[in-house]
Amino acid sequence: NAGVTQTPKFRILKIGQSMTLQCAQDMNHNYMYWYRQDPGMGLKLIYYSVGAGITDKGEVPNGYNVSRSTTEDFPLRLELAAPSQTSVYFCASSSGLSNEQFFGPGTRLTVL
Amino acid sequence: AQTVTQSQPEMSVQEAETVTLSCTYDTSESDYYLFWYKQPPSRQMILVIRQEAYKQQNATENRFSVNFQKAAKSFSLKISDSQLGDAAMYFCAYRAWKNAGGTSYGKLTFGQGTILTVHP
Repeated sequence: NAGVTQTPKFRILKIGQSMTLQCAQDMNHNYMYWYRQDPGMGLKLIYYSVGAGITDKGEVPNGYNVSRSTTEDFPLRLELAAPSQTSVYFCASSSGLSNEQFFGPGTRLTVL
Repeated sequence: AQTVTQSQPEMSVQEAETVTLSCTYDTSESDYYLFWYKQPPSRQMILVIRQEAYKQQNATENRFSVNFQKAAKSFSLKISDSQLGDAAMYFCAYRAWKNAGGTSYGKLTFGQGTILTVHP
């Protein structure tokens, strides 16, 4: 049972480039989340999903897109990378609204 | 909107002693959850303890306990018998039971974090 996995661990992008951050969980959780953590700050919600085919925006969705075609996977897409997107990105999942969220190890993204 | 405030950017404690980390929050809801997460240098987010707002009894997990004051909207974390492995960033987080629309998606609202240093 790997829990929540994220790839890559680190990435440097140039301004205007695109990339997809991968997230997968093997716990059959319906709820999945993407957060970003800026230096010295807490996490902020980017997007979330309550099940396959259902996604919605969180607090800071601008510049990002998501999809949820399977229960296991919840990729986050950056279309035109900007320096303001330099951050650590965390994916999380939970089995229910009142249950613990399990976090992945994070992806450190730098946009130069 | 809910907000979570951690007013102590940094705290330090001697090994084997006790330290308390502060957290206040603002909400108009009566039902919600509160959490403390630990983030060591590895960046992994680790749940330390959780508290349901409807429970009057303070949550405890081994050396970790909370002082939940619902009327004051205060949620502090006490770490007893501090160990070197407790050194980390600690985040207080809030989760609504339901949002204004009557549904909830489990969004966590985090404080800014407190860096805890443990001295041998």
